[in-house]
Amino acid sequence: GAGVSQSPRYKVTKRGQDVALRCDPISGHVSLYWYRQALGQGPEFLTYFNYEAQQDKSGLPNDRFSAERPEGSISTLTIQRTEQRDSAMYRCASSRAGLALEQYFGPGTRLTVT
Amino acid sequence: AQSVSQHNHHVILSEAASLELGCNYSYGGTVNLFWYVQYPGQHLQLLLKYFSGDPLVKGIKGFEAEFIKSKFSFNLRKPSVQWSDTAEYFCAVNGVTGGGNKLTFGTGTQLKVEL
Repeated sequence: GAGVSQSPRYKVTKRGQDVALRCDPISGHVSLYWYRQALGQGPEFLTYFNYEAQQDKSGLPNDRFSAERPEGSISTLTIQRTEQRDSAMYRCASSRAGLALEQYFGPGTRLTVT
Repeated sequence: AQSVSQHNHHVILSEAASLELGCNYSYGGTVNLFWYVQYPGQHLQLLLKYFSGDPLVKGIKGFEAEFIKSKFSFNLRKPSVQWSDTAEYFCAVNGVTGGGNKLTFGTGTQLKVEL
C-alpha cells in the first residue's frame, strides 16, 4: 500500500517567510509524528498526534513552530517567520493503533531558508 | 532525559566482512530500542526492534542486535555485509516511563561497503 507522503519534497524560502509542510500518513494509521533532522544529526522529535489530538509538543523549539491535524489524517507543520537555523530535513512518521512505536517514515521535506 | 550515542560516525568495510555498530543509551528506566536504516535516496526504514524478552533480536536482511542492559547497549551486527548494505544506520530509544511515543535517535553511522 501507499506509504507516508510529504509535500513539498524540497522548499526554498527567504528568511521571514512562513512555510507549511504537509504530511499524509498511511491510511488507517492513528498516530502521526514530526521530526526534524539537521545535517549530520539524527532525527529529533518535534510533536505527535493521536487522531486529531496533539499529545506532545515538547519538541517544538519555539512558538514559531506549530502543527495541526484537524481531521485526524493529514497534518501540517507550520513555521512562521523562518530563520536560517530552521533549515533542515523535516520528517513525518505514522503508526498504527497499538503499535505506536513502529513508526513508518515518509521521504521528508528538505527546507532551506536563505 | 533519554539520549543515544553512536560512536562510529563512518565505517568502511569490504564485502563479506563482519559488522558491528555500537549504540549506547542513557535512560534510567525500562526502554524500547530500535535500529533504523536509510539507504541512499530512500526513507528511514525500521530494521529491528527490542521491546522485551530475548535480548538477541533478529531483523531484516540478516541483521541482529543484542540488548545488554548492564552496559546500556544495543549493538547492531551482521556476520557478512554486502555492497547493498551501504546506508546510514540510526539507533533509537524510547523510554517506557515518561517517554511517550517519541523516539530519541543517535547521530547515525554511515556505512560504506566496498566491493
